[in-house]
Amino acid sequence: GDSVTQTEGQVTVSESKSLIINCTYSTTSIAYPNLFWYVRYPGEGLQLLLKVITAGQKGSSRGFEATYNKETTSFHLQKASVQESDSAVYYCALGGANYGNEKITFGAGTKLTIKP
Amino acid sequence: ETAVFQTPNYHVTQVGNEVSFNCKQTLGHDTMYWYKQDSKKLLKIMFSYNNKQLIVNETVPRRFSPQSSDKAHLNLRIKSVEPEDSAVYLCASSTGRSNERLFFGHGTKLSVL
Repeated sequence: GDSVTQTEGQVTVSESKSLIINCTYSTTSIAYPNLFWYVRYPGEGLQLLLKVITAGQKGSSRGFEATYNKETTSFHLQKASVQESDSAVYYCALGGANYGNEKITFGAGTKLTIKP
Repeated sequence: ETAVFQTPNYHVTQVGNEVSFNCKQTLGHDTMYWYKQDSKKLLKIMFSYNNKQLIVNETVPRRFSPQSSDKAHLNLRIKSVEPEDSAVYLCASSTGRSNERLFFGHGTKLSVL
């Protein structure tokens, strides 16, 4: 089967410090995984933050970056300097190039809290 | 800006009752979905509807049934709720093309007493 693991359920970082949220994936059914980060800000619906469909490539959005590493099967989310507005829940997800969205597998999410 | 609307936001009910949740999208998308987010915060796909045709149904109990009047609406009915149905139910929509972004509603939190 397919799975996405986010090791930290909660992360607290001081404003202007750097951030890394870990994500690893496993798949037995998808030959060319596509990887996503979704984010849920307080009071809003879950929304796409960034997407990478090619191994070795990096995606970026709103100052966040994530590199698709096929060797380590990882897709960690990083930001050099966080802001209070980045407080949200972040979900890593895995899909397949030839599959519909109903096959997307989500991680359990990491709640990010930024300390002022 | 919200384009997937879910009602109600919260619902508290007792075991054995029937509940129905509504979802509407204004994006003109062809495909809508229902996800369940359980106590462990895992998001699991329940149903997917494309042009009113059910295209996926995971191992969901038969007391759950999706209902769609047109491609902009996908409701979820639970007949005779059970305690393990307590969760947040998220509706989403997309164009239906492979790996196009999902647009989610705010969710409906169900508590079964």
